[in-house]
Amino acid sequence: QVHLVESGGGVVQPGRSLSLSCAGSGFTFSNYAMHWVRQAPGKGLEWMAVLSYDGSKTYYADSVKGRFSISRDISKNTLFLQMNSLRDEDTAMYYCARGIAYTVRGLDYWGQGTLVTVSS
Amino acid sequence: QSVLTQPPSVSAAPGQTVTISCSGSSSNIGNNYVSWYQQLPGTAPKLLIYDDNKRPSGIPDRFSGSKSVTSATLGITGLQTGDEADYYCGTWDGSLSAGVFGGGTKLTVL
Repeated sequence: QVHLVESGGGVVQPGRSLSLSCAGSGFTFSNYAMHWVRQAPGKGLEWMAVLSYDGSKTYYADSVKGRFSISRDISKNTLFLQMNSLRDEDTAMYYCARGIAYTVRGLDYWGQGTLVTVSS
Repeated sequence: QSVLTQPPSVSAAPGQTVTISCSGSSSNIGNNYVSWYQQLPGTAPKLLIYDDNKRPSGIPDRFSGSKSVTSATLGITGLQTGDEADYYCGTWDGSLSAGVFGGGTKLTVL
């Protein structure tokens, strides 16, 4: 049974950094692309980043390019999102999701999300 | 402003049929697969449709997807009160080299 659990959210001041984790179980991490998607309070879904199944490709939304970095530890079946230079507008629920491919053909399993609040 | 355009809301009575549109361009829907997600209040999104028109295991055939050129449509037949949720379309945008979602459509089952 596929399961994804995010952690690492919390309250952080603008300009600071935060690292999110997504622990996966029930599937082989290296066989799937993994995505981060966020949702600001009361707003819609915003795609953030993807890491291809073989780890060779990463893509980012323009809003976070140069500030956020996606990576993984296959030995621990864990996905990461390193977020630097955080801004007020980065406040959101952050979801990790397993992808059929690195494109958004279908994100078939999602975690429950971890809330990041950027505030002074 | 989302790259993909969805109506903010749709409504219909129980048992009726509703469609939700998702309009894009040749750089996204026109050349990439579309997926659809259901988000019930306070929960994570759930995949309903992938690869334009395929349903994951466990998704009832009341839900269907279609695509024509640069637009996609989600259809829901036999509406139930439990279908009240936000629905999102998603795809890849080759020009942006990024994933994109529509702004979401709130379905109300009257």
